[in-house]
Amino acid sequence: DTAVSQTPKYLVTQMGNDKSIKCEQNLGHDTMYWYKQDSKKFLKIMFSYNNKELIINETVPNRFSPKSPDKAHLNLHINSLELGDSAVYFCASSQGQGQGTEAFFGQGTRLTVV
Amino acid sequence: GNSVTQMEGPVTLSEEAFLTINCTYTATGYPSLFWYVQYPGEGLQLLLKATKADDKGSNKGFEATYRKETTSFHLEKGSVQVSDSAVYFCALVGGADGLTFGKGTHLIIQP
Repeated sequence: DTAVSQTPKYLVTQMGNDKSIKCEQNLGHDTMYWYKQDSKKFLKIMFSYNNKELIINETVPNRFSPKSPDKAHLNLHINSLELGDSAVYFCASSQGQGQGTEAFFGQGTRLTVV
Repeated sequence: GNSVTQMEGPVTLSEEAFLTINCTYTATGYPSLFWYVQYPGEGLQLLLKATKADDKGSNKGFEATYRKETTSFHLEKGSVQVSDSAVYFCALVGGADGLTFGKGTHLIIQP
């Protein structure tokens, strides 16, 4: 069983479109994250949710809107896609954010905006 | 806020060479420290971790020791293999910032 699964794995779309990436974890964790990894492999946290409540919201355009229908899911919706949104997006989860907390990552979604 | 600095790559070594990837951090209090590895086309996996000063994390022949006096968590392996080629991320958890990553070090091992 995949612990953190995200779909789709690849997403190619045109500028201006709206798209969603889904993430589900079956680990029973209470905290979920979205990270963006650029072409240089830099990882930047975008959002963090704990028990369906937003706890970290880094400076990202408001075109990005996370939605957490329940503790096991954190979906990422992106409006009006731009070329600069092309990247690999990773979902992750952890049990809390305390000392020693390990995060488990999905396989990533490679988004290409053309 | 917290921050992690690690040596930039790519780091290219021959098989069986000794590996060191440096990592230093800035954080308040007593963070937990991690090394994650990302193999080509995959997500990040935890490689090892240490939760308090002088702890040594180890896994798959890799080791790192939590040095509070030098705020460092350098990754070492005595004899690398081609299969170790990947991107390695140093990270920490501390305070309200959640999991903070370094910029990653691309390691290339040549046969």
